Amino acid sequence: DGGITQSPKYLFRKEGQNVTLSCEQNLNHDAMYWYRQDPGQGLRLIYYSQIVNDFQKGDIAEGYSVSREKKESFPLTVTSAQKNPTAFYLCASRDPRTSSSTDTQYFGPGTRLTVL
Amino acid sequence: AQSVSQHNHHVILSEAASLELGCNYSYGGTVNLFWYVQYPGQHLQLLLKYFSGDPLVKGIKGFEAEFIKSKFSFNLRKPSVQWSDTAEYFCAGSSINDYKLSFGAGTTVTVRA
Repeated sequence: DGGITQSPKYLFRKEGQNVTLSCEQNLNHDAMYWYRQDPGQGLRLIYYSQIVNDFQKGDIAEGYSVSREKKESFPLTVTSAQKNPTAFYLCASRDPRTSSSTDTQYFGPGTRLTVL
Repeated sequence: AQSVSQHNHHVILSEAASLELGCNYSYGGTVNLFWYVQYPGQHLQLLLKYFSGDPLVKGIKGFEAEFIKSKFSFNLRKPSVQWSDTAEYFCAGSSINDYKLSFGAGTTVTVRA
């Protein structure tokens, strides 16, 4: 059963703590993305990775970090430097080898992070 | 800057009514456009997409969208909505050589039975 999994579904953390959100895909996609979703603001790109061992900052990377050591995995760390971390986090993947006519990002179920 | 904007924040309809959600983009050059839907408690999923060719694009569940280049618009339509169309709808775009998606703020659609 192919797809993108994110864990955990709900996550609570205390202020000042770092927390890592998991994203795994078995679609054999090279590119992976992290978005943050806030009410009334749509989705905003945090980080993305086009290939293993390479990643770039998105529009709102401050206070976040990522790694891409394996093709299947793209974990996101929300650090204590992120001033407003409570949000819904979505991971996505895409196969950049496909032609533009089939190019699509596929999304995971999301992780809801709440900072107490 | 490349961006996508959606006109409506919340739309409330009765079943069988027609739906049209506005989306405008500001991209230079060739653009890829998408509509995604997020049903309550479910994954964000693709409704339809436009890359090139016929500007009228048909998607899943009876939805369609029309790309009007002169108006920088990509409005989503459905002639007759059902209660199950209650969801949040997102318009998104990317330039053809840069696959980072920019999303609109989303439109919540509530269909009353």
